Amino acid sequence: TQTVSQSDAHVTVFEGDSVELRCNYSYGGSIYLSWYIQHHGRGLQFLLKYYSGNPVVQGVNGFEAEFSKSDSSFHLRKASVHWSDSAVYFCAVSASSGSWQLIFGSGTQLTVMP
Amino acid sequence: DPKIIQKPKYLVAVTGSEKILICEQYLGHNAMYWYRQSAKKPLEFMFSYSYQKLMDNQTASSRFQPQSSKKNHLDLQITALKPDDSATYFCASSQDGTFYAEQFFGPGTRLTVL
Repeated sequence: TQTVSQSDAHVTVFEGDSVELRCNYSYGGSIYLSWYIQHHGRGLQFLLKYYSGNPVVQGVNGFEAEFSKSDSSFHLRKASVHWSDSAVYFCAVSASSGSWQLIFGSGTQLTVMP
Repeated sequence: DPKIIQKPKYLVAVTGSEKILICEQYLGHNAMYWYRQSAKKPLEFMFSYSYQKLMDNQTASSRFQPQSSKKNHLDLQITALKPDDSATYFCASSQDGTFYAEQFFGPGTRLTVL
């Protein structure tokens, strides 16, 4: 059974700060990892994904994430956040041995202070 | 233009009634999904369809029935509604039904059961 853990429910930073949102997963086979953003009252928007190749993947709006098999992690980073980045961020995993379902973490609320 | 349309945006129902949530995608995708997001649980996978065929069902209750009348439609019928069914229901789609296919989400239908 795949699980996804987002250890930080809330992260608060100031505009211009860097930020790292943590995601750890548990699964041993081939997996697909992704990050989504959800602004208040809206649907989910895709940010980036990792399946194979370069463990550092670039996404939209300056986001990047790094896959680590040894740490079972897929942390999301941004070098300089903007107030519009305030939202809930979800990490998701899908595994080759299961169905096509995305299994989501509980989400991290990022608040960017002006 | 929105590529995944969900109707209605908000829905209020009484306990015991039946409702249909509509989802249409105009991305030319072959796989469609339903997810649920409630205050008590993170995003949960419900169903996956590929070429209008049910591929996976992770809902415990038969009160939830997906209906696919066209390749780009996947509606969700919910019968005998309960207050615990109150949630936001998201439709998603992907180009094909593989575990590494990027899933695109609609804006959601917020259902409140009184």
